[in-house]
Amino acid sequence: DAGVIQSPRHEVTEMGQEVTLRCKPISGHDYLFWYRQTMMRGLELLIYFNNNVPIDDSGMPEDRFSAKMPNASFSTLKIQPSEPRDSAVYFCASSLGEGGPYNEQFFGPGTRLTVL
Amino acid sequence: GENVEQHPSTLSVQEGDSAVIKCTYSDSASNYFPWYKQELGKRPQLIIDIRSNVGEKKDQRIAVTLNKTAKHFSLHITETQPEDSAVYFCATTGFQKLVFGTGTRLLVSP
Repeated sequence: DAGVIQSPRHEVTEMGQEVTLRCKPISGHDYLFWYRQTMMRGLELLIYFNNNVPIDDSGMPEDRFSAKMPNASFSTLKIQPSEPRDSAVYFCASSLGEGGPYNEQFFGPGTRLTVL
Repeated sequence: GENVEQHPSTLSVQEGDSAVIKCTYSDSASNYFPWYKQELGKRPQLIIDIRSNVGEKKDQRIAVTLNKTAKHFSLHITETQPEDSAVYFCATTGFQKLVFGTGTRLLVSP
């Protein structure tokens, strides 16, 4: 298995533009997580899905952020409009099985987002 | 919500020394305690985890201890090597999700 795949790996955009980050979890994994990592705030959980259904989105910063999982092999995190404070590394992770958040989470390589 | 405090933020050791990183948590219902290692520019990867029914777990040079009464758990790395240099994150469960500590940057000097 190729592991969790994220695209793009790097994204540079201007304030106000829409940004879409993409994730393909490991095949067969039924949990998918989106995290944001910054020096100031560390590793923060934004939202997670179980069997394509959002379970907890309490970490989503504000309405500018939205996430979808239309099927078991694809998820998107969208920021519209983007702001400079959204600059961070965004990780997608997946895990398997009952108690998914409590099992090993496999992280993707991350997307480094820079908003100018 | 769950709060996880991690200390120290930075740790420098000589190759061959031991390193200990400690985390404290607030939710007495927490029952899963993983440790992730993140090398510079890379993704976090699980190195060891422990569940609340176990007090200690070892995997070669790495061990984790858990004290549920005191609500703290620790990562122990023995015989450190330069390739152990990385940021280490503890985590625990709170409200059905993982909450991560702020990380410890470990530097192992040859």
